[in-house]
Amino acid sequence: QLVLTQSSSASASLGSSVKLTCTLGSGHSTYIVAWHQQQPGKAPRFLMNVERSGSYNKGSGVPDRFSGSSSGADRYLTIFNLQSEDEADYYCETWDGDTRVFGGGTKVTVL
Amino acid sequence: EVQLVESGGGLVQPGGSLRISCAASGFTFSTHAMSWVRQAPGKGLEWVSGITTTGGGAEYADSVRGRFTTSRDNSKNMLYLHMSSLRAEDTALYYCARIYDGSEIVNWGQGTLVTVSS
Repeated sequence: QLVLTQSSSASASLGSSVKLTCTLGSGHSTYIVAWHQQQPGKAPRFLMNVERSGSYNKGSGVPDRFSGSSSGADRYLTIFNLQSEDEADYYCETWDGDTRVFGGGTKVTVL
Repeated sequence: EVQLVESGGGLVQPGGSLRISCAASGFTFSTHAMSWVRQAPGKGLEWVSGITTTGGGAEYADSVRGRFTTSRDNSKNMLYLHMSSLRAEDTALYYCARIYDGSEIVNWGQGTLVTVSS
């Protein structure tokens, strides 16, 4: 079964960095993961996909402050120089054929 | 510019039916698989359904299989979700989403709210 696990919350100070983790379930550790940002009251927005190798491809208009990386079954989203507008929910997504699944989401608070 | 505009949401009684739509523009609709994703109030994202480029195949989450049907009209650039035997737990904001090259979701609509209540 395709499963993604995320921590429920994370916080960091304005101008610092935060690293979010999305863990692929057993048997799916090689899968690509996509990250989406959902600011309060808004629709989600695609940020990037992250491959097993750690390479990542960002969506249009995504600031340079956002980067991706990988280690084993974990796919990471790191936000550098955290800004107030980065306070949002972050979801990871993966897929297998025509089915897909989301992680439970991580709420990022900017202190 | 890619645009996905959902419509058709509203209040429906438990056991009732509803069809929601998504109007797509700004890209070649017929060459992209599409998905429906929902978000219950205060909850996370839940994938509901996906449909192939031709509409010849569709997949569903276990929670809606047998009750929901996804279809598309490539001549009109429209995606549809027909929902029947609706339950209170189907109450959610329903998003239309574009799939890139059979992989991740790259565009989202603004959503249409479906409320199931008596």
